[in-house]
Parts: sequence; structure tokens; C-alpha cells
Amino acid sequence: QVLLVESGGDVVQPGRSLRLTCTASGITITSYAMNWVRQAPGKGLEWVATISYDGNIKSYAESVKGRFTISRDNSKNTLYLQLNSLSADDSAVYYCARRDSWGYSVYWGQGALVTVSS
Amino acid sequence: EIVLTQSPGTLSLSPGERATLSCRASQSLSDTYLAWYQHKPGQAPRLLIYSASSRATGIPDRFSGSGSGTDFTLTISRLEPEDFAVYYCHQYGNSPYSFGPGTQVDVK
Repeated sequence: QVLLVESGGDVVQPGRSLRLTCTASGITITSYAMNWVRQAPGKGLEWVATISYDGNIKSYAESVKGRFTISRDNSKNTLYLQLNSLSADDSAVYYCARRDSWGYSVYWGQGALVTVSS
Repeated sequence: EIVLTQSPGTLSLSPGERATLSCRASQSLSDTYLAWYQHKPGQAPRLLIYSASSRATGIPDRFSGSGSGTDFTLTISRLEPEDFAVYYCHQYGNSPYSFGPGTQVDVK
């Protein structure tokens, strides 16, 4: 069974940090770029960040640049998203997705809920 | 940055009817790096169409995509009960990658 499973979602206070983890099973992610995409309550999908297969190239949405860091550990088939300086606008379900060779994503996780509230 | 707009915002139709969803890009998409996703509450987005017109594996042939340049269309030929959902277009060719705001297809 193909699975991407996000973990680490939580309720945190504004200004605090959180790390999300995406673990893959049944598929390999080591040869693929990976994405984080989020959906705020009542809003649409928003691309957050992408990391190349080897971790050398990273790109971010302007809304998170300088606060979020995407990383990966291919030995563990795992993707991470470090979220710093969180604000209420970062409250969302965060999805990881494998970016296939041509750039679209077939495989997605079920999402991790991050709520930023005092 | 490429901005995607979708119309209409909401489409109210009955099962068996035809749905036509539009997506317009603020600049031409090179090599038609345009996908369509279906998204239901509590579920992961589901890839329907990639490269503007190629159906993803396992997607029924009632779903079809067309278009190039800046104008793209997703057509659902005959709506089934399970097709009522939100549909997003997504450009994945130029970073920052972007999604359209979505079209909600609901039951009339």
C-alpha cells in the first residue's frame, strides 16, 4: 500500500515553532522532488515549498520564505518542514506530496493540522 | 509569478449533467505544465489531469482536459454522485508553483 503520512501537527502559540514530518512507505521518495502544500480553513490549496531529490535545491512561497525550512533524509525516506515564527495565517492542513518526474503529484498524504492560536 | 484564476467559483448541477470548468493563467504556461485536482473534505487531493489533457491512471474517461497557453478547461461529461467536490487547476512548470482558487461543484 502506498502511503505518505504526515505527523507533527499541533496547536501552538503565535511566534512558536513546529516541525512536520512526512514518512513514505510503499513508495520511494529518494529519487523525487517533494512538495509541501497547505490548505487554510475555508481556503484553497496553497503551494508552500519544494525540495529537489538530493536536497540541494529548495524553493518557497513568498508567504513562508525566511520562516519555513524544507529538508529531507533520504536514508529514512522522510521529508520535513520546519515552521518558525508562526502566525494565525499559518493555521492550515499541511500536505506532503511527491513531485513526479514531470512535476505533477500523484501521491499525497492525508495532511497534518497546524493551529496557531493563543 | 503565475496567477491562476478559475471560473465559475461555484457550479450547481444535477447528476448526469455536463460540467465545464475554466482556468486562466496570467502568462502562457510553457509545455502545458497544467494539472487538475479533485479535492474532497478530509481527503488528499486526487490528480485527475496532467499536461493539460492527459488523464492520470485510473481516472474515468468522463473527465477530460483541454487547452494551451493561458486558457484551460476541465470537462466532466456526465456528473456522477461522487464527482461533487472542489476542483483546482495547478501550474507546476514555473516556481513559485501555484493553484487556482478552486471551483466548487455542488448538487443543484
